[in-house]
Amino acid sequence: QTVVTQESSFSVSPGGTVTLTCGLSSGSVSTSYYPSWYQQTPGQAPRTLIYNTDTRSSGVPDRFSGSILGVKAALTITGAQADDESDYYCVLFMGRGVSVFGGGTRLTVL
Amino acid sequence: EVRVVEFGGGFIQPGGSLRLSCAASGFSVSSNYMSWVRQAPGKGLEWVSVIYTAGDRYYADSVKGRFTISRGNSENTVFLQMDSLRGEDTAIYYCATANRHYDLLTGIYSYYMDVWGNGTTVTVSS
Repeated sequence: QTVVTQESSFSVSPGGTVTLTCGLSSGSVSTSYYPSWYQQTPGQAPRTLIYNTDTRSSGVPDRFSGSILGVKAALTITGAQADDESDYYCVLFMGRGVSVFGGGTRLTVL
Repeated sequence: EVRVVEFGGGFIQPGGSLRLSCAASGFSVSSNYMSWVRQAPGKGLEWVSVIYTAGDRYYADSVKGRFTISRGNSENTVFLQMDSLRGEDTAIYYCATANRHYDLLTGIYSYYMDVWGNGTTVTVSS
């Protein structure tokens, strides 16, 4: 069974840049997995940030960007702000209708 | 405004059944892929199911054979029928639109979750 991997936690200083990654337990992530990224603050519903690797969802500031870095999908936050402190999840489309979430990364801004 | 609202959560004993509803407004569920995602207490998000516009239905292995996704076009609502419920099905269940993307190079239809509801809580316990 394929597992989608993410860092469990990460920290960034206010104003700093952080890159969160999304990989596979076996194999490489490419654009053919159509990676998407979601932000969730505690007690709230998720919010869509990025889809199809690097397309920002409506209303998402351009300090959030998506890419493929090596064998993983990546979410980069440039100029981190206090309210970026959240859980971040990636999703990979596995084909045949099936999507799989990564375990999520808890981002701390301090 | 595109909006989805979930209903139907509650407390149910193991082995029981529950049907969740996702009422849509601002768009037609018959013209959109629609998905369900859940989150167990203190855990991450887990994709559960999707229904395509043509009626194709797909499920996570953890719910396959027990859960059924469907839609009522006249009610503009998507449903998740959950049978043979287990303790590990305890979670907040979110409904989300699943925006379709067609890759011209590969001919593959994929989707991503876009508009989310606030969720409905299901607790399975004796």
